[in-house]
Amino acid sequence: NAGVMQNPRHLVRRRGQEARLRCSPMKGHSHVYWYRQLPEEGLKFMVYLQKENIIDESGMPKERFSAEFPKEGPSILRIQQVVRGDSAAYFCASSPRPGQNNEQFFGPGTRLTVL
Amino acid sequence: AQSVTQLGSHVSVSEGALVLLRCNYSSSVPPYLFWYVQYPNQGLQLLLKYTTGATLVKGINGFEAEFKKSETSFHLTKPSAHMSDAAEYFCAVTEGGGSNYKLTFGKGTLLTVNP
Repeated sequence: NAGVMQNPRHLVRRRGQEARLRCSPMKGHSHVYWYRQLPEEGLKFMVYLQKENIIDESGMPKERFSAEFPKEGPSILRIQQVVRGDSAAYFCASSPRPGQNNEQFFGPGTRLTVL
Repeated sequence: AQSVTQLGSHVSVSEGALVLLRCNYSSSVPPYLFWYVQYPNQGLQLLLKYTTGATLVKGINGFEAEFKKSETSFHLTKPSAHMSDAAEYFCAVTEGGGSNYKLTFGKGTLLTVNP
């Protein structure tokens, strides 16, 4: 059973470009979470999605960031008009059910560098 | 809001020595506490978790942690370090109630094991 897949693993963008990060949850998992790790910081919660629904986006910046988890295909974290401050590692996790009794399984992350 | 403090961003031990990684948390509600490990270029893997019940929790790879409410601590220990334990370790806590899927992480502690 494959783990959580994220691609690309490394992404380089110039200021003003768009970044699209993809996350395929583990088989049978319908809950996806995105976290961001800025340099020298811990992972911080961004958004929680179920299929076709955003459940909690309280950690998402108000502008330029969006996330989706369509009925078919991977979850996408989209960053428009990237700035240098967006450089970070973005981690996706999935679980079969929400809640702290259900372990979140993490992907290897996407390292975004904005030039 | 909850927070996690990991004392020591870098800990170095000799092979066979005791491993002690420190974690303190703040929470206004009874916390659920986690330790994750991240090997280079991999996703975070759950080592152990405390939810309720016994305060001494045993995890994988010989690690254990003790929840001490009076000290608001959840330190991770292993009696004898192995070279394969070299990795980055993250302590995390979840909020209670309806947001119990939202993990709050510390900044991480990089463990190096010297031969």
